[in-house]
Amino acid sequence: TQLLEQSPQFLSIQEGENLTVYCNSSSVFSSLQWYRQEPGEGPVLLVTVVTGGEVKKLKRLTFQFGDARKDSSLHITAAQPGDTGLYLCAGGTDTGNQFYFGTGTSLTVIP
Amino acid sequence: DTGVSQDPRHKITKRGQNVTFRCDPISEHNRLYWYRQTLGQGPEFLTYFQNEAQLEKSRLLSDRFSAERPKGSFSTLEIQRTEQGDSAMYLCASSATQGINEKLFFGSGTQLSVL
Repeated sequence: TQLLEQSPQFLSIQEGENLTVYCNSSSVFSSLQWYRQEPGEGPVLLVTVVTGGEVKKLKRLTFQFGDARKDSSLHITAAQPGDTGLYLCAGGTDTGNQFYFGTGTSLTVIP
Repeated sequence: DTGVSQDPRHKITKRGQNVTFRCDPISEHNRLYWYRQTLGQGPEFLTYFQNEAQLEKSRLLSDRFSAERPKGSFSTLEIQRTEQGDSAMYLCASSATQGINEKLFFGSGTQLSVL
């Protein structure tokens, strides 16, 4: 059961465009992580946000945690072909025993 | 630090056969997770170890699945009497820190195909 829904599921854009990926849930999470996964490899952690309303920037990537800690967004500015991959959000619970992953957003940046 | 290692990278088996996968976590990481991922979807939690103790197991996991971490280091995941629906990528992850700042380090996965 996927508790976190991501949208869009697929996204194909031209190099240089901006994009936003959304991660939504009806559940409250103690933390929210974003990962990027390339074909044939495991996910790689990009960022962790823990406070409602928190915004973190990683070069051209901006991550935001919703005020109610139920949703998050990832915004990429001036996308590059190297940004291509599967973006996954993952919610952490208070018990800290597992992370619930979202449904994923497959991004393709066309040169 | 050589990262999380999984073996084999690919496994093709016939329906009904048993398969076993191995995961070597980052040394000194006491937490180890198994996830399953189908194409284009997010990973689904299977089970979790803290040291050698299996502390949580997904209700989605049938009795055909079993995992061990006998010495608190490497772990194995066995699937008995494989079915076509078991075809997926099996991912292992390890971490050293519990709580909201926990960071999962994933291996490259074992891709299972059941014919």
